Amino acid sequence: NAGVTQTPKFRVLKTGQSMTLLCAQDMNHEYMYWYRQDPGMGLRLIHYSVGEGTTAKGEVPDGYNVSRLKKQNFLLGLESAAPSQTSVYFCASSLNHYQETQYFGPGTRLLVL
Amino acid sequence: LAKTTQPISMDSYEGQEVNITCSHNNIATNDYITWYQQFPSQGPRFIIQGYKTKVTNEVASLFIPADRKSSTLSLPRVSLSDTAVYYCLVGEKAAGNKLTFGGGTRVLVKP
Repeated sequence: NAGVTQTPKFRVLKTGQSMTLLCAQDMNHEYMYWYRQDPGMGLRLIHYSVGEGTTAKGEVPDGYNVSRLKKQNFLLGLESAAPSQTSVYFCASSLNHYQETQYFGPGTRLLVL
Repeated sequence: LAKTTQPISMDSYEGQEVNITCSHNNIATNDYITWYQQFPSQGPRFIIQGYKTKVTNEVASLFIPADRKSSTLSLPRVSLSDTAVYYCLVGEKAAGNKLTFGGGTRVLVKP
Protein backbone atom coordinates (compact mmCIF):
# COMPACT_ATOMS: atom_id res chain seq x y z
CA ASN A 1 0.00 0.00 0.00
CA ALA A 2 2.01 2.95 -1.32
CA GLY A 3 -0.56 5.66 -0.56
CA VAL A 4 -0.06 8.65 -2.85
CA THR A 5 2.89 8.67 -5.24
CA GLN A 6 4.09 11.43 -7.57
CA THR A 7 6.22 11.31 -10.70
CA PRO A 8 8.75 12.84 -11.28
CA LYS A 9 10.38 13.99 -8.05
CA PHE A 10 12.28 16.83 -9.71
CA ARG A 11 12.28 18.45 -13.12
CA VAL A 12 13.92 21.39 -14.84
CA LEU A 13 12.08 22.99 -17.75
CA LYS A 14 12.83 25.83 -20.10
CA THR A 15 10.26 28.56 -20.56
CA GLY A 16 7.65 27.46 -23.08
CA GLN A 17 8.19 23.73 -22.67
CA SER A 18 5.38 21.44 -21.64
CA MET A 19 5.22 18.60 -19.18
CA THR A 20 2.82 16.38 -17.26
CA LEU A 21 2.99 15.53 -13.58
CA LEU A 22 1.51 12.20 -12.58
CA CYS A 23 -0.23 11.44 -9.30
CA ALA A 24 -1.37 7.95 -8.36
CA GLN A 25 -3.23 6.68 -5.29
CA ASP A 26 -4.06 3.13 -4.26
CA MET A 27 -6.61 3.89 -1.52
CA ASN A 28 -9.66 3.93 -3.82
CA HIS A 29 -10.29 7.57 -2.93
CA GLU A 30 -12.87 9.51 -4.90
CA TYR A 31 -11.34 12.97 -4.46
CA MET A 32 -7.93 14.11 -5.68
CA TYR A 33 -6.21 17.49 -5.55
CA TRP A 34 -3.23 19.35 -6.96
CA TYR A 35 -1.59 22.07 -4.86
CA ARG A 36 1.41 24.29 -5.35
CA GLN A 37 3.56 25.43 -2.46
CA ASP A 38 5.69 28.55 -2.68
CA PRO A 39 7.95 29.90 0.09
CA GLY A 40 5.95 31.76 2.71
CA MET A 41 2.62 31.19 0.96
CA GLY A 42 1.44 27.85 2.25
CA LEU A 43 -0.44 25.56 -0.13
CA ARG A 44 -2.76 26.82 -2.82
CA LEU A 45 -5.25 24.61 -4.60
CA ILE A 46 -4.79 24.47 -8.39
CA HIS A 47 -7.43 21.95 -9.52
CA TYR A 48 -9.30 19.09 -7.96
CA SER A 49 -11.44 16.15 -8.98
CA VAL A 50 -14.48 14.67 -7.25
CA GLY A 51 -14.36 11.43 -9.20
CA GLU A 52 -13.25 9.68 -12.36
CA GLY A 53 -13.87 11.84 -15.41
CA THR A 54 -14.46 15.05 -13.42
CA THR A 55 -12.28 18.09 -12.75
CA ALA A 56 -12.82 21.51 -11.17
CA LYS A 57 -10.85 24.71 -10.74
CA GLY A 58 -9.27 25.67 -7.48
CA GLU A 59 -7.76 28.93 -6.32
CA VAL A 60 -4.95 29.25 -8.89
CA PRO A 61 -5.89 27.27 -12.03
CA ASP A 62 -4.45 29.52 -14.75
CA GLY A 63 -1.68 27.94 -16.81
CA TYR A 64 -2.56 24.39 -15.76
CA ASN A 65 -4.81 21.65 -17.07
CA VAL A 66 -5.79 18.38 -15.44
CA SER A 67 -7.33 15.06 -16.34
CA ARG A 68 -8.78 12.17 -14.33
CA LEU A 69 -9.27 9.38 -16.85
CA LYS A 70 -8.82 6.67 -14.22
CA LYS A 71 -9.94 6.83 -10.61
CA GLN A 72 -6.46 6.17 -9.28
CA ASN A 73 -4.63 8.74 -11.43
CA PHE A 74 -4.74 12.54 -11.56
CA LEU A 75 -2.57 14.30 -14.13
CA LEU A 76 -1.42 17.92 -13.99
CA GLY A 77 -0.27 19.47 -17.25
CA LEU A 78 1.69 22.60 -18.03
CA GLU A 79 1.25 23.43 -21.71
CA SER A 80 3.74 26.30 -21.83
CA ALA A 81 5.81 26.58 -18.68
CA ALA A 82 6.66 29.99 -17.22
CA PRO A 83 9.19 30.93 -14.52
CA SER A 84 6.26 31.86 -12.25
CA GLN A 85 5.35 28.18 -12.20
CA THR A 86 8.57 27.30 -10.42
CA SER A 87 7.26 25.68 -7.26
CA VAL A 88 6.79 22.46 -5.34
CA TYR A 89 3.67 20.61 -6.45
CA PHE A 90 1.78 18.32 -4.11
CA CYS A 91 -0.93 15.87 -4.97
CA ALA A 92 -3.43 14.70 -2.36
CA SER A 93 -6.42 12.41 -2.17
CA SER A 94 -9.33 11.96 0.21
CA LEU A 95 -12.23 9.58 0.58
CA ASN A 96 -14.65 12.50 0.57
CA HIS A 97 -14.23 16.26 0.18
CA TYR A 98 -13.52 19.05 2.62
CA GLN A 99 -14.35 17.26 5.83
CA GLU A 100 -12.16 14.26 5.17
CA THR A 101 -8.48 13.74 5.85
CA GLN A 102 -6.28 14.43 2.84
CA TYR A 103 -3.32 12.18 2.17
CA PHE A 104 -0.44 13.93 0.46
CA GLY A 105 2.24 12.68 -1.89
CA PRO A 106 5.95 13.49 -1.45
CA GLY A 107 5.88 16.39 -3.91
CA THR A 108 7.44 17.30 -7.25
CA ARG A 109 9.97 20.11 -7.34
CA LEU A 110 9.74 22.03 -10.63
CA LEU A 111 12.19 24.65 -11.79
CA VAL A 112 11.36 26.69 -14.88
CA LEU A 113 14.27 28.63 -16.35
CA LEU B 1 -15.06 33.66 2.30
CA ALA B 2 -12.71 32.88 5.17
CA LYS B 3 -9.16 34.12 5.32
CA THR B 4 -6.94 31.98 7.48
CA THR B 5 -4.09 33.61 9.40
CA GLN B 6 -1.40 31.96 11.51
CA PRO B 7 1.74 33.21 13.28
CA ILE B 8 4.78 32.79 11.06
CA SER B 9 6.93 31.07 13.67
CA MET B 10 7.32 30.18 17.31
CA ASP B 11 10.03 28.61 19.44
CA SER B 12 9.62 26.19 22.30
CA TYR B 13 11.64 23.80 24.46
CA GLU B 14 11.39 20.06 24.89
CA GLY B 15 8.65 19.03 27.28
CA GLN B 16 6.67 22.25 26.95
CA GLU B 17 3.18 22.65 25.54
CA VAL B 18 2.89 24.48 22.24
CA ASN B 19 -0.29 26.29 21.25
CA ILE B 20 -0.78 27.58 17.70
CA THR B 21 -3.78 29.72 16.89
CA CYS B 22 -5.36 30.04 13.47
CA SER B 23 -7.73 32.95 12.80
CA HIS B 24 -10.54 32.26 10.36
CA ASN B 25 -13.38 34.77 10.30
CA ASN B 26 -16.71 34.02 8.61
CA ILE B 27 -16.79 30.26 8.70
CA ALA B 28 -20.11 28.48 8.94
CA THR B 29 -21.32 26.32 11.81
CA ASN B 30 -20.52 23.04 10.11
CA ASP B 31 -17.26 24.00 8.43
CA TYR B 32 -14.34 21.87 9.54
CA ILE B 33 -10.90 23.00 10.69
CA THR B 34 -8.06 20.60 10.00
CA TRP B 35 -4.40 20.80 11.03
CA TYR B 36 -1.47 19.32 9.15
CA GLN B 37 2.20 18.88 9.99
CA GLN B 38 4.91 19.16 7.37
CA PHE B 39 8.58 18.21 7.57
CA PRO B 40 11.14 19.46 5.02
CA SER B 41 10.91 17.75 1.62
CA GLN B 42 7.76 15.87 2.60
CA GLY B 43 4.06 16.29 2.00
CA PRO B 44 1.79 17.51 4.82
CA ARG B 45 0.48 14.91 7.24
CA PHE B 46 -2.88 15.00 9.04
CA ILE B 47 -2.83 15.79 12.76
CA ILE B 48 -6.36 16.54 13.91
CA GLN B 49 -9.75 17.81 12.74
CA GLY B 50 -12.86 19.30 14.33
CA TYR B 51 -15.67 21.80 13.91
CA LYS B 52 -16.68 22.73 17.46
CA THR B 53 -15.58 22.78 21.12
CA LYS B 54 -12.69 20.39 21.74
CA VAL B 55 -11.22 17.37 20.00
CA THR B 56 -8.36 15.28 21.36
CA ASN B 57 -6.36 12.43 19.88
CA GLU B 58 -3.12 10.71 20.78
CA VAL B 59 -0.90 13.52 19.50
CA ALA B 60 -2.80 16.81 19.87
CA SER B 61 -5.87 18.72 20.96
CA LEU B 62 -7.94 21.18 18.97
CA PHE B 63 -9.90 23.94 20.70
CA ILE B 64 -12.62 25.83 18.86
CA PRO B 65 -14.39 28.62 20.81
CA ALA B 66 -18.09 29.29 20.44
CA ASP B 67 -17.60 32.24 18.07
CA ARG B 68 -15.52 29.99 15.75
CA LYS B 69 -13.38 32.93 14.65
CA SER B 70 -10.24 31.05 15.59
CA SER B 71 -9.01 27.64 16.57
CA THR B 72 -5.99 26.51 18.60
CA LEU B 73 -3.84 23.48 18.02
CA SER B 74 -2.24 22.27 21.23
CA LEU B 75 0.80 19.99 21.19
CA PRO B 76 1.49 18.62 24.69
CA ARG B 77 5.06 18.02 25.84
CA VAL B 78 6.81 18.60 22.51
CA SER B 79 10.03 16.84 21.56
CA LEU B 80 12.75 17.75 19.07
CA SER B 81 10.98 15.65 16.44
CA ASP B 82 7.98 17.99 16.57
CA THR B 83 10.03 20.69 14.85
CA ALA B 84 8.03 21.26 11.66
CA VAL B 85 5.64 23.61 9.90
CA TYR B 86 2.01 23.40 10.99
CA TYR B 87 -0.86 24.40 8.71
CA CYS B 88 -4.52 24.96 9.44
CA LEU B 89 -7.03 24.23 6.70
CA VAL B 90 -10.59 25.48 6.57
CA GLY B 91 -13.14 23.79 4.36
CA GLU B 92 -16.15 26.00 3.53
CA LYS B 93 -19.19 24.12 2.32
CA ALA B 94 -21.23 27.25 1.55
CA ALA B 95 -18.44 28.59 -0.65
CA GLY B 96 -18.58 25.58 -2.94
CA ASN B 97 -16.38 23.44 -0.73
CA LYS B 98 -13.56 25.96 -0.87
CA LEU B 99 -10.36 24.78 0.81
CA THR B 100 -8.12 27.47 2.30
CA PHE B 101 -4.78 26.75 3.92
CA GLY B 102 -3.17 29.14 6.34
CA GLY B 103 0.35 30.33 5.59
CA GLY B 104 1.88 27.88 8.07
CA THR B 105 3.60 28.25 11.45
CA ARG B 106 7.21 27.14 11.73
CA VAL B 107 7.72 25.57 15.16
CA LEU B 108 11.26 25.10 16.42
CA VAL B 109 11.69 22.88 19.47
CA LYS B 110 14.95 23.45 21.29
CA PRO B 111 16.70 21.04 23.67
